Amino acid sequence: EVQLLESGGGLVQPGGSLRLSCAASGFTFSRSAMYWVRQAPGKGLEWVSAMSGSAGTTYYPDSVRGRFTISRDNSKNTLYLQMNYLRAEDTAVYYCAKDLRTFGDLSGYLDLWGRGTLVAVSS
Amino acid sequence: DIQLTQSPSFLSASVGDRVTITCRASQGINNYLAWYQQKPGKAPQLLIFAASTLQTGVPSRFSGSASGTEFTLTISSLQPEDFATYYCQQLKSYPITFGQGTRLEIK
Repeated sequence: EVQLLESGGGLVQPGGSLRLSCAASGFTFSRSAMYWVRQAPGKGLEWVSAMSGSAGTTYYPDSVRGRFTISRDNSKNTLYLQMNYLRAEDTAVYYCAKDLRTFGDLSGYLDLWGRGTLVAVSS
Repeated sequence: DIQLTQSPSFLSASVGDRVTITCRASQGINNYLAWYQQKPGKAPQLLIFAASTLQTGVPSRFSGSASGTEFTLTISSLQPEDFATYYCQQLKSYPITFGQGTRLEIK
């Protein structure tokens, strides 16, 4: 079955760290660019990070650059998001998503999403 | 950053209605635009990419079009399962941005 399964969310204090994982199955993970997208409670979608299939290219928005790091282990079919210096405004459901293209490059079109994992930043 | 403004933000319609949602980009994005549907408690699903290409498995009652910096998602005949929130997304340049969403509810 083609799917993405996120894990690693939870409650963390401001300034703390958390690492999210996304286990992929049913497709050639190494040939797919991958993304993290988040959604604060009751709010819209916000793109958080992107990584090419080879892991050679990464992008971040200003809101998380320098605090979040996307990475992948193609031997384990797993995507990660290391989140440091967490703030209250980082509270959201975090989704991992797969690129529509199968050449590893970044089109940005997201054709497969996980169910999401909730990160809550609060003291 | 490229801003996307969706209108309306909220739409009330009936089963069988034809509805149109508009997404306006703050600058030209060369049709690098996608539409997603999200139901409560679920992840978004890709409906349309490249402004007008229907994703595999998406019903043909959904269609997308573009005119300059204005993009439109049309549902030709609303079905009960179409009541959801819809987002546009631009891929022309980073940061990738989404519209604020259009919530479609049953009248």
